[in-house]
Amino acid sequence: GAGVSQSPSNKVTEKGKDVELRCDPISGHTALYWYRQSLGQGLEFLIYFQGNSAPDKSGLPSDRFSAERTGGSVSTLTIQRTQQEDSAVYLCASSSIQIGVAGYTFGSGTRLTVV
Amino acid sequence: QKEVEQDPGPLSVPEGAIVSLNCTYSNSAFQYFMWYRQYSRKGPELLMYTYSSGNKEDGRFTAQVDKSSKYISLFIRDSQPSDSATYLCAMTLYNQGGKLIFGQGTELSVKP
Repeated sequence: GAGVSQSPSNKVTEKGKDVELRCDPISGHTALYWYRQSLGQGLEFLIYFQGNSAPDKSGLPSDRFSAERTGGSVSTLTIQRTQQEDSAVYLCASSSIQIGVAGYTFGSGTRLTVV
Repeated sequence: QKEVEQDPGPLSVPEGAIVSLNCTYSNSAFQYFMWYRQYSRKGPELLMYTYSSGNKEDGRFTAQVDKSSKYISLFIRDSQPSDSATYLCAMTLYNQGGKLIFGQGTELSVKP
């Protein structure tokens, strides 16, 4: 597609439930990133994919968080047993390895609210 | 202490003013410096990108990097109400796979 697409745009879930957030990157972009933006905060790195591999998952806050990428395209971020502190906007970005950081494009994010 | 520090504001200026936004950082190894603009309920969009030290100009926007002081700036000339947004600085190393370290963001409001 023309841009990075994320779904759902908004998600309200009960504490303790599992959620899946989807990211559809720009076609041909090999690198894919997940960030989290809490209220009034900057972006916090979660995980990075190159193709289907995740060379850097150092930002995942706990083992309740996991992510996968299939076919070098769509990625899913899963949060198990959600907690109120997981409430945030989850942003996905993609980039071509040739362009690198200069070609980073973000989606509009998924706004997660845990009640 | 955070790796990248940015005053969250909010900053309010009249239309036509010159705006100065700044970030300081602690890791002297950072080589790539970026400014992103984020409108409400949207993802950040890349505004300016600079490699190493120096100045870069694009229309009304000028980005400056002073690696000796570990300080970066974004200047907006002739500010417009449409410039009202949150501005985030970001930086990275060449071997980090594109992982960016962001400042907290500065909320800017340009009043007509």
